[in-house]
Amino acid sequence: QVQLQESGPGLVKPSETLSLTCTVSGGSISTYYWTWIRQAAGKGLEWIGHIYTSGSTFYNPSLKSRATLSIDTSKNQFSLKLTSLTAADTAVYFCAGFFLGSFDLWGPGTLLTVSS
Amino acid sequence: EIVLTQSPDFQSVTPKEKVTITCRASQSIGSSLHWYQQKPDQPPKVIIKYASQSISGVPSRFSGSGSGTDFTLTINSLEAEDAAAYYCHQSSSLPWTFGQGTKVEI
Repeated sequence: QVQLQESGPGLVKPSETLSLTCTVSGGSISTYYWTWIRQAAGKGLEWIGHIYTSGSTFYNPSLKSRATLSIDTSKNQFSLKLTSLTAADTAVYFCAGFFLGSFDLWGPGTLLTVSS
Repeated sequence: EIVLTQSPDFQSVTPKEKVTITCRASQSIGSSLHWYQQKPDQPPKVIIKYASQSISGVPSRFSGSGSGTDFTLTINSLEAEDAAAYYCHQSSSLPWTFGQGTKVEI
């Protein structure tokens, strides 16, 4: 059974860059579109972007080019970099696997707080 | 970008009641509409795919219908464990988008 686990710093200062990694275990990193989704406290879900094992990416235009996704198939990991952080980026960040239309796999989520 | 609008935002119900949540898309998305259930401090879980396709392991009291721009999630005979937020999501065109969510309280 494929499982996902996010890892990241937890607390980042405003204007700095966030780096999050998602480790895929229990299965191959191929097949899925690997995705980042975030959720501010008490709010809904926002799709950030996805990456395929070929390296092709697509980002949510709302992030105005601040997001970059990468993938390391040798380590079964994919990553998110988000630049120029503000308090509005404070949220739980989920990594997820998208397959045949829906997000079938989810990590438990990691809380990011942007604060000085 | 396709905007999904759910109604209601919040619903307080009693066990065994029937719950209906609607999701309206700003343009036609065919049947590329999926429903998720999210319980507190957990990631979402897909419960209906492509508007009406059931998911293995999801109780049969959950069902979906609709196509084009109007979709419905129905929970028949609600159980206490169904207290959660429910989100619709469209995969018709990028960027993928979600509805704002419906919180079901028991």
